[in-house]
This record gives sequence, structure tokens and C-alpha cells, in this order.
Amino acid sequence: EAQVTQNPRYLITVTGKKLTVTCSQNMNHEYMSWYRQDPGLGLRQIYYSMNVEVTDKGDVPEGYKVSRKEKRNFPLILESPSPNQTSLYFCASSFTYAGGRPQHFGDGTRLSIL
Amino acid sequence: GNSVTQMEGPVTLSEEAFLTINCTYTATGYPSLFWYVQYPGEGLQLLLKATKADDKGSNKGFEATYRKETTSFHLEKGSVQVSDSAVYFCALSPIKAAGNKLTFGGGTRVLVKP
Repeated sequence: EAQVTQNPRYLITVTGKKLTVTCSQNMNHEYMSWYRQDPGLGLRQIYYSMNVEVTDKGDVPEGYKVSRKEKRNFPLILESPSPNQTSLYFCASSFTYAGGRPQHFGDGTRLSIL
Repeated sequence: GNSVTQMEGPVTLSEEAFLTINCTYTATGYPSLFWYVQYPGEGLQLLLKATKADDKGSNKGFEATYRKETTSFHLEKGSVQVSDSAVYFCALSPIKAAGNKLTFGGGTRVLVKP
């Protein structure tokens, strides 16, 4: 089954404790990205990757890191999480990085930073 | 820059009522337009899309027409069911952009009562 898998689905942690949210897709997609969803703001892009070893900032990259060492995986790293990073996070992928294409989304990761 | 504005919710309807969710956009160039749906506890699923002016996207009884002259992409369904209760997001992605970034509206929560 074609899917984007995120882990964990839920995490409660404390300020400053490094965490990683994993994202894996089994569709051989070129393009992957991370979004955060906040009430009334919709989803905003954090980082994206157009291919292996090619990543770039989205609209709200501060406090986050990413890497793309393999085509299928695109982890999101919070090196020193803060309460303003409490949010619902989604990983997404598409076959190509060309604009205008629909994206496949994971089921989300709800992070609470105390 | 690009932006999407959609009506705020929640929208509460009775079963078999007519649903309209307004969406307008601002974009440089010619974007593809999308409606995504998020059911409780799940990720976003593509509901429908349109890639050029006057295109009509349709799926599961939902329709939306790409109106370039009014920069709108309103979502409609003639007879809603309880199972249509969800959050609906309007989004755009510029076709000629390097990077398939989606710009989302704030989302509209729809609640259908029996």
C-alpha cells in the first residue's frame, strides 16, 4: 500500500530535549516536505527536499533541521525544542518536485513541548 | 507572495443540506488549486484538484471550479452526509515553481448532524 509513515504519532517532552520525528515513504517519490498545522493558520511549510542531499528552507524553518540521506526517509529534528514548537506536524511527498502536483500526507505527529 | 483565504468555521449543517465553502487566492503566475480533507485523527487526503482556468474538479459528490477572473475555487456539495464531517483545506501550488510547495488556507471545520 502506498503510504507516508510518520513516527511517533504522539510525543510529550520537555524544553531542550532533542527529538527526531521520522518520515518514510514507499512510493519512490522525489519530493518530500514537512509542514506544521496550527489553528487558524492552516499548514505551513518548514523544510522541503527535492532529492537526496538536496534540502531547503520553507516558510517557518527556525528551530528545525532536516536531512535526506536516502530517498525514502526525511526526518525532522528539533535539537532544542521549545514550547512554541508545540504543534501538529505532517510529512508529505510527491512524485516530482515540479510545482502544481498533489502531495501524499502522513497521518501526523502531535508534539507537546512542556 | 501566494496566499489562500477560506471562510472560517465551524460550519454546522443537517444531513442532506447543501454545502459551500468559499476559497479565494492570490498567486503570482498560474497555480494548480486543490481541496484537501482531514478526517478526525488522520492526515490530509486530496479531495479534488484543478490545473487551469474553468477546470472543474470533482470527487465523492464534491465539486469546485477554477475561476481565474474571480481568483476563486469554491467547494460545493449538493447533499452532505454525516461522514462528510471533517476539516477542509483549500491550497495552491504554482505550476512553474521549483519545488512543489503547497500554500494552504486556514481550514474550515464542517460538522454534519443527523
